[in-house]
Amino acid sequence: AQRVTQPEKLLSVFKGAPVELKCNYSYSGSPELFWYVQYSRQRLQLLLRHISRESIKGFTADLNKGETSFHLKKPFAQEEDSAMYYCALSGRGSGNTGKLIFGQGTTLQVKP
Amino acid sequence: DGGITQSPKYLFRKEGQNVTLSCEQNLNHDAMYWYRQDPGQGLRLIYYSQIVNDFQKGDIAEGYSVSREKKESFPLTVTSAQKNPTAFYLCASREQINQPQHFGDGTRLSIL
Repeated sequence: AQRVTQPEKLLSVFKGAPVELKCNYSYSGSPELFWYVQYSRQRLQLLLRHISRESIKGFTADLNKGETSFHLKKPFAQEEDSAMYYCALSGRGSGNTGKLIFGQGTTLQVKP
Repeated sequence: DGGITQSPKYLFRKEGQNVTLSCEQNLNHDAMYWYRQDPGQGLRLIYYSQIVNDFQKGDIAEGYSVSREKKESFPLTVTSAQKNPTAFYLCASREQINQPQHFGDGTRLSIL
């Protein structure tokens, strides 16, 4: 079954603390993994994707095929990082329709 | 980023009524998608279209219908057969395979 699991509904940390939002996936094939973020009263937007391997707003995520995980990390959380974060996957290769499978989402709350 | 416009922002449906949510994009994207967002469930795919005059059912298509007569438009109709329509509806588009999806601001549908 194709599935994305984000085990934490809510993650609350203090400003300056490290952050790790967990994402595990199940997919028969070669997936592409994404993290999307939804700030309060803003639209859902792409944060990063695994194939670009870049760091956005200090966040990084490494695809671990052995553990089928794509955890999102940031060494020092900022208050402006407070938002809802979604992990998502899409198939790759021929026949790919581009449709995304989303996890349930994790609300990150960064306290001052 | 005003490339994808959803309207209205809020919509109310009476029992037995069909309502249509609008999604327009000026990004010249080929593929368009409709998702439903419920608390604690993430986003689930309703319908998608990879090209004009063609569309496919997603994971939760029952009670919904779509059309794709123009490249820039992908309206979603919530029919009276959808017994639990209260949700936040998100439209997305994608330029081509392996490009990330861009999202609209969403429409919140409620039952009167």
